[in-house]
Amino acid sequence: QVQLVESGGGVVQPGRSLRLSCAASGVTFSNFGMHWVRQAPGKGLEWVAVIWYDGSKKNYADSVKGRFTISRENSKNTLSLQINSLIAEDTAIYYCARFNGAYNGLDVWGQGTTVTVSS
Amino acid sequence: QSVLTQPPSASGTPGQRVTISCSGSDSNIGSYTLNWYQQVPGTAPKLLIYNNNQRPSGVPDRFSGSKSGTSASLAISGLQSEDDADYYCAAWDDNLHVFVLGTGTKVSVL
Repeated sequence: QVQLVESGGGVVQPGRSLRLSCAASGVTFSNFGMHWVRQAPGKGLEWVAVIWYDGSKKNYADSVKGRFTISRENSKNTLSLQINSLIAEDTAIYYCARFNGAYNGLDVWGQGTTVTVSS
Repeated sequence: QSVLTQPPSASGTPGQRVTISCSGSDSNIGSYTLNWYQQVPGTAPKLLIYNNNQRPSGVPDRFSGSKSGTSASLAISGLQSEDDADYYCAAWDDNLHVFVLGTGTKVSVL
């Protein structure tokens, strides 16, 4: 079945960088747009970024624009999120999710990877 | 950047009907179809409703969605203990060019 597995989270000092990955299996990865959504401790879901199925377009939430970069490598069924200049407000669980045009929504989610920004 | 507004909480006893609202604008709910997601504490979100009122396979028919203009609602009829979760509405926003998620509603089954 379709599965998304995030990795790369951890405890990081403010100002440092981190690269999150999302490995897809059981799906033709290159057919779907992919999103990152995060959730700070005790808070609601916050949409972070999207990349089109072929990588031709990318959009970001204002809160991360200029610091986050979403990318994908379709030959390896992998989605990435490069996070630079980490701040405390980036502390969250980061989920990758597949956008399915048949549903006009995010129909498959990973289990999440936790990023903690702390000195 | 949450431009979809939901009530923070809703509650009911088993068997009751609970309704959650989602208020947006012409650039999101007014222009695009709406999704609803359910998040049980400690787990990843799950697509509950798509295209305003459609249920993916496996979602019980006690969940129903509707949309009118720039507002939408999710109804849970015959409330069950496993419905105790957070619920989020979501839609694309044509002005911001981003996917916007609602503020979230905590449904408690009393």
